[in-house]
Formats: sequence, structure tokens, C-alpha cells
Amino acid sequence: GAVVSQHPSWVICKSGTSVKIECRSLDFQATTMFWYRQFPKQSLMLMATSNEGSKATYEQGVEKDKFLINHASLTLSTLTVTSAHPEDSSFYICSAHTNRDRESYEQYFGPGTRLTVT
Amino acid sequence: GQNIDQPTEMTATEGAIVQINCTYQTSGFNGLFWYQQHAGEAPTFLSYNVLDGLEEKGRFSSFLSRSKGYSYLLLKELQMKDSASYLCAAMDSNYQLIWGAGTKLIIKP
Repeated sequence: GAVVSQHPSWVICKSGTSVKIECRSLDFQATTMFWYRQFPKQSLMLMATSNEGSKATYEQGVEKDKFLINHASLTLSTLTVTSAHPEDSSFYICSAHTNRDRESYEQYFGPGTRLTVT
Repeated sequence: GQNIDQPTEMTATEGAIVQINCTYQTSGFNGLFWYQQHAGEAPTFLSYNVLDGLEEKGRFSSFLSRSKGYSYLLLKELQMKDSASYLCAAMDSNYQLIWGAGTKLIIKP
């Protein structure tokens, strides 16, 4: 159980276009979803936290108008990178957490999406 | 401020034992996680400690000392497939994970 999927797994887009990444919890309801970005040989950097039905909370330095997050249901969150630029090329990973088991706050990670902007 | 420290890189021999240390400073504490991440892949969960002591799970064990702000991940009977980055993350009072930079573990035959 506790499977999280991401789509697409990789995408190449041209500079100035927008890209949408989907994150789905397949067998549980995710009350909270997290979006991370990871540059090569660096650790995960939290971009934003989203709770179903409410606005996402963005980390300092992350532009909310550029990285649009929608958490419309308990099983789906989307990240849209608007007007992408080459410096946005990175590995984007989502994770999900459920409050079902308060004894464990494990985050379940999706497989990640590799974005390359040309 | 909040901070996680772990070594950048470690090297060990196949079949041996290696201990990866992690120290943390967070605003409040709700547990310590260890994740394994192979190159180009997402992290996978290894362990979660919230009480002091050692948790053993097969070849992997994780230890926590809350008073010292210290944890370690112990890997026994190392296999080549254990070559990966190991990420330490502490959960603060807001239930947010504070991530370490990761320790790259290199296993040599």
C-alpha cells in the first residue's frame, strides 16, 4: 500500500512554455502533499506544502506565480511550471502524507519527474 | 535555526558494516527519518525513530538519542546495491521535514 505516482516521468519543453506535473496517491487519501525540487548531487528542497481544498504554502524564495500548485482532491495534486526557463530544469518529486496513522508521519514519495527546459 | 548535519561521502567494503551519523537541531521534534536514494530516483523510506534507542530492521538499524540530537543508520553485510545516498530528515514541531544534504555511500568489492 501507500503508492504515489507521478506523471510524466520525464519531459522536455521549450523555454517560455508551461508544464504540468501530476501527483496521485493510488491507494490512500493524501491529506497533505509536498513538492520538492532536487538539483544534481544536492538534497531535496521543499518547494511547497499543499492541503486538499486549500491554498498551498510556499517556502521562502519559491515564486508561487511561477510554480502553481493545485490540490483539488485527496488523491491528486498538480504542479504547473509556468513560463519555464532552462534554470527550472530539475528533478521534481512529490510526496504524500496521510493523517490516518498519527503514530507515523512517513511521507510516501512519487518516482519523480525530470524536467529539461531547452 | 534548524540544521541537519551528516557526512558528505563515505566508502565501505562489500560485506562490511558502516555507520552513517546525523546530528540535528530543530524547533521542536517529532521524529527522525532515514531515506535511501539511488541516483536518478526518488527517496525510499528506511526508518522512523521518535523514541530513544535502536530500531532494527533486517540489515539496517537506526538509532536515536533525543537528548544529544543524534541519530545513526547502521548498515550490515553491505551489498553493492547499497551504494546510494542516505538522507537524514528531522520532523519539527510543525510536522515539517528538515532534510540533510545526504551521505553518498560508495561500496567497493
